[in-house]
Amino acid sequence: GDSVTQMEGPVTLSEEAFLTINCTYTATGYPSLFWYVQYPGEGLQLLLKATKADDKGSNKGFEATYRKETTSFHLEKGSVQVSDSAVYFCALGRDDKIIFGKGTRLHILP
Amino acid sequence: DAGVIQSPRHEVTEMGQEVTLRCKPISGHNSLFWYRQTMMRGLELLIYFNNNVPIDDSGMPEDRFSAKMPNASFSTLKIQPSEPRDSAVYFCASSPSRSGQETQYFGPGTRLLVL
Repeated sequence: GDSVTQMEGPVTLSEEAFLTINCTYTATGYPSLFWYVQYPGEGLQLLLKATKADDKGSNKGFEATYRKETTSFHLEKGSVQVSDSAVYFCALGRDDKIIFGKGTRLHILP
Repeated sequence: DAGVIQSPRHEVTEMGQEVTLRCKPISGHNSLFWYRQTMMRGLELLIYFNNNVPIDDSGMPEDRFSAKMPNASFSTLKIQPSEPRDSAVYFCASSPSRSGQETQYFGPGTRLLVL
C-alpha cells in the first residue's frame, strides 16, 4: 500500500545551517505531497504542498520539489533559525485521506 | 477566522471512566478526521467522516472507542471505559472536501492522561 518514509531524528543543527530532511514515498499514480510542521504543544499545520511531478512547494524559506523519478519530496531550507525547531511530517494525499510519515524532530541551537 | 476547536485541551481521568472529546470543524468543511498521537506509534488516523457520515473507522483501536458527528459543526470521540494505554494527544482535523489533495486543518489537540 501507499506509504511515506522520512529520515529519523532528532536532527540537531546550529542557527544559519543548511537543512535537508529526506522523504521518499511509495504510491501508484500521482498523489499530492505535503510537508506539515508541528510546533511544541500545537497541532500540525501545513508548511507546503505540491500536486504534480516537478512542482516545487515553498513557504517561510522552506522548499521541496516533487520528484517522480526518485519518488522523493525532500525538505530544504538554506538558513535555519531557532524558531524552526519543531517536528516535520512528510505526507501524501491519496483518494480521500492523507498518509503521514513518522515525523522528524528538528532542534536548532543558537 | 476560527480554526478547528477542540475541548477540553487537557483531560486527566482514572481508569474505567468515560471520556468524551469534542471537536468543532471549520465552517464549510465537509470532511472531519480524528487522529491519535503517541511517542511510540506516531500519528494514527482513527476515523473520518464526510458530510457527517463515517467513511472509514478501521483505525479505531477497539470497541471501547466510538465517534459521532450529529451535524456539520460538531463531532465527539468517546472512550468507555478508558485505560492507561489510551493516554495520548487526540487531534481533530477538517478539510474542505473529501479529496486527498486537500489540506487538512488541525485543532490544537486534547492531551489525555488516564491514571
